[in-house]
Amino acid sequence: QVQLQESGPGLVKPSQTLSLTCTVSGDSIISDAHNWTWIRHHPGKGLEWIGNIFYTGSTYYNPSLKSRITMSVDTSKKQFSLSLSSVTAADTAIYYCARKPVHLWAPFDCWGQGTLVTVSS
Amino acid sequence: QSALTQPASVSGSPGQSITISCTGTSSDIGYYNYVSWYQQHPGKAPKVLIYDVSNRPSGVSNRFSGSKSGNTASLTISVLQAEDEADYYCSSYTMNTIPWVFGGGTKLTVL
Repeated sequence: QVQLQESGPGLVKPSQTLSLTCTVSGDSIISDAHNWTWIRHHPGKGLEWIGNIFYTGSTYYNPSLKSRITMSVDTSKKQFSLSLSSVTAADTAIYYCARKPVHLWAPFDCWGQGTLVTVSS
Repeated sequence: QSALTQPASVSGSPGQSITISCTGTSSDIGYYNYVSWYQQHPGKAPKVLIYDVSNRPSGVSNRFSGSKSGNTASLTISVLQAEDEADYYCSSYTMNTIPWVFGGGTKLTVL
């Protein structure tokens, strides 16, 4: 059974870069059937899709965040990562990593528990 | 503000049924039959309850059912149980530049 676990700093200063890693266990990250995804949940608001990465490194980012996002994958460590630059208080959220079947319409079928990132000086 | 609109909270007593609505637009719920529902207990990972409007993944109780009419999707939970107390989120595939959108979430309280 696949499990995902987010890790990274819980506090980031404004204007700095938020960096998170998701570790995949119970399944291979090398999969033609899945993309690996970051989603965030702002306090009091809905969930927001951030971006997807395929095991080859191919990415698909949310256009509203694209200029600040970098996603990467390390298949040897079974990890994928998110970097979000120039953060502000508006980036304070719970960040989730998830697995997404490659079929565009399929649901996000496995999620991590989420990690709270607060942007504050 | 979320792309999809859900009530902030609903409540019901054990044994009753409740319905959670999720309203979108003609670019998402109204156009595609690709609505998903997720359940999240406090401190836990979200879990898929419903996909493609009304399909349940293996292992999900048949007390959970989904439907859609126009731009609004609905999740119905029948024979409410205490363990159903959780947050519920809807999601839809869209034709917009952001391909997946979510609701703000609905907190279900079992009285």
